[in-house]
Amino acid sequence: DGGITQSPKYLFRKEGQNVTLSCEQNLNHDAMYWYRQDPGQGLRLIYYSQIVNDFQKGDIAEGYSVSREKKESFPLTVTSAQKNPTAFYLCASSTSTGTMNTEAFFGQGTRLTVV
Amino acid sequence: GQSLEQPSEVTAVEGAIVQINCTYQTSGFYGLSWYQQHDGGAPTFLSYNALDGLEETGRFSSFLSRSDSYGYLLLQELQMKDSASYFCAVRDLGRDDKIIFGKGTRLHILP
Repeated sequence: DGGITQSPKYLFRKEGQNVTLSCEQNLNHDAMYWYRQDPGQGLRLIYYSQIVNDFQKGDIAEGYSVSREKKESFPLTVTSAQKNPTAFYLCASSTSTGTMNTEAFFGQGTRLTVV
Repeated sequence: GQSLEQPSEVTAVEGAIVQINCTYQTSGFYGLSWYQQHDGGAPTFLSYNALDGLEETGRFSSFLSRSDSYGYLLLQELQMKDSASYFCAVRDLGRDDKIIFGKGTRLHILP
């Protein structure tokens, strides 16, 4: 079955550590996105990528980094520079430029907690 | 820039009808989408409007008025399982192709 998979579901990070969240899709989508969601809040865009080996900063990119070495994969690293990383992280994919539809497919999310 | 405004919370009674509004401001507009998210879950796509008018999908309908930069999601015959957050979203096809979401509307359903 086609879909988008995030791992792990829960992640605990110590102060000062970098952690990497995985996101893999087999939908053959060009575009992939990372969003952050805080309790009772909307989805804030961290990074997005329209094509392999290219990505752009979203609204809250500081303290995060990404890579897009393969079409299927878009991992997000939460660095020690991110001062308040505890949140729910959602990865999504969609068809890219050339379509007007905004249907995005989401992974089940990773809940990151700083301990 | 772009922004989407929607009410933070709406309350309705089981079996009733509720409307969730969304106004948007974007540099380039091609259509409005709606997503549903249950607590602890991932958002799921509900509908997309590219043209003015009403699109119906079962109990859910979505409306768009491009001239008013306004849309709404209409939920009929409300069920308790409809208790969730609802987000409107647009695709910014400007310099950077990205999907932008509103802050979401929390729908509370009373028995």
